[in-house]
Amino acid sequence: NAGVTQTPKFQVLKTGQSMTLQCAQDMNHEYMSWYRQDPGMGLRLIHYSVGAGITDQGEVPNGYNVSRSTTEDFPLRLLSAAPSQTSVYFCASRYGPSTNEKLFFGSGTQLSVL
Amino acid sequence: DAKTTQPNSMESNEEEPVHLPCNHSTISGTDYIHWYRQLPSQGPEYVIHGLTSNVNNRMASLAIAEDRKSSTLILHRATLRDAAVYYCILRGPGDNYGQNFVFGPGTRLSVLP
Repeated sequence: NAGVTQTPKFQVLKTGQSMTLQCAQDMNHEYMSWYRQDPGMGLRLIHYSVGAGITDQGEVPNGYNVSRSTTEDFPLRLLSAAPSQTSVYFCASRYGPSTNEKLFFGSGTQLSVL
Repeated sequence: DAKTTQPNSMESNEEEPVHLPCNHSTISGTDYIHWYRQLPSQGPEYVIHGLTSNVNNRMASLAIAEDRKSSTLILHRATLRDAAVYYCILRGPGDNYGQNFVFGPGTRLSVLP
């Protein structure tokens, strides 16, 4: 049971390039989300999904796109990378909507935009 | 989500108990108190959660004040592996689809050998 798997672990982009951060979970969780973490700060929600075909914006969605075609996968797309998107990105999942549910995180993708 | 307040940092000696405080004076009656921790270079991981009663699991204990305006995460015997940032989070039915776990700066725990 792998849990939440993120790839790549590290990425360097030039300004203006696009890329996709991959996230997959094997726990049959309906709810998935993307967070970014900047130095010395907590995590901020970018986008989330409550099931296949359903996504919505979080706190800091600008510059990012998501889609959810399967329960397992929730990729995050950077459309035109900017230095302000240099951050560590975490994907997370949980089973359902209850406030009692635990959140499971991937190990993160460290992204640098030059 | 209601806000939480935690100290920026704490220090502990190895093998000693650690009490990590969290204030949440605006907590509502249906908010769960969750604790997560983030080890260096890793994603956050679940530690414990509770509603009103004190809770114990293999990782830690959670002591919740009677008025629920504060709580304390207790690590009974700190090890070097417990050095991490600890986040206290309130989870209530008011956040949109329950997605918005609000992770603040947390408390950075250092464990001294």
